[in-house]
Amino acid sequence: GAGVSQSPSNKVTEKGKDVELRCDPISGHTALYWYRQSLGQGLEFLIYFQGNSAPDKSGLPSDRFSAERTGGSVSTLTIQRTQQEDSAVYLCASSPSDLGQYLHYEAFFGQGTRLTVV
Amino acid sequence: AQKITQTQPGMFVQEKEAVTLDCTYDTSDPSYGLFWYKQPSSGEMIFLIYQGSYDQQNATEGRYSLNFQKARKSANLVISASQLGDSAMYFCAMRESDFGNEKLTFGTGTRLTIIP
Repeated sequence: GAGVSQSPSNKVTEKGKDVELRCDPISGHTALYWYRQSLGQGLEFLIYFQGNSAPDKSGLPSDRFSAERTGGSVSTLTIQRTQQEDSAVYLCASSPSDLGQYLHYEAFFGQGTRLTVV
Repeated sequence: AQKITQTQPGMFVQEKEAVTLDCTYDTSDPSYGLFWYKQPSSGEMIFLIYQGSYDQQNATEGRYSLNFQKARKSANLVISASQLGDSAMYFCAMRESDFGNEKLTFGTGTRLTIIP
């Protein structure tokens, strides 16, 4: 497909279990973002990948959260020992750059993964 | 300090009226970009409009325009002739050019409800 793809679309997990959320960005997009959105709330930045640069992990809420991006494409967000407060929609977005110019490019979002921790 | 501030948690507007959604931002970077997104109840994020810090004119896209006041650090979204389908959450976002600050930072959003 042409858009950002996230899987699974819904995930219900038991407290204490680990979960992996996957994001397939638009082909060729160098930037990839993860955000968390609690019900009715804004977008909380989690992590940002840009090309081969070290990721900006400043938004990860705890060391239970980690993310990687393999081959500059697919990204996986891992939450270890899930807690009920981790329940939210996790949104992934990607955007292109052109010869290092990226400022004006919009971010294209996936449909999100709704995570419910019971 | 918040990078992006949206002070209106909710707004109710009569159909066909114009509406202004407020956004102020904080940056010391001379080069930055400002974005507005719409999120209907379906949850998808829809890009509406972009304004660059060096753009001389306010951005416009159909019924959407951006009232960019650089000295006041505000980038308000104006929707003309509102429609029922405009009911949604609206988010303002900023991207800076400083190395290490290139991520897209969002405000807390404004929930707009159009009344028939």
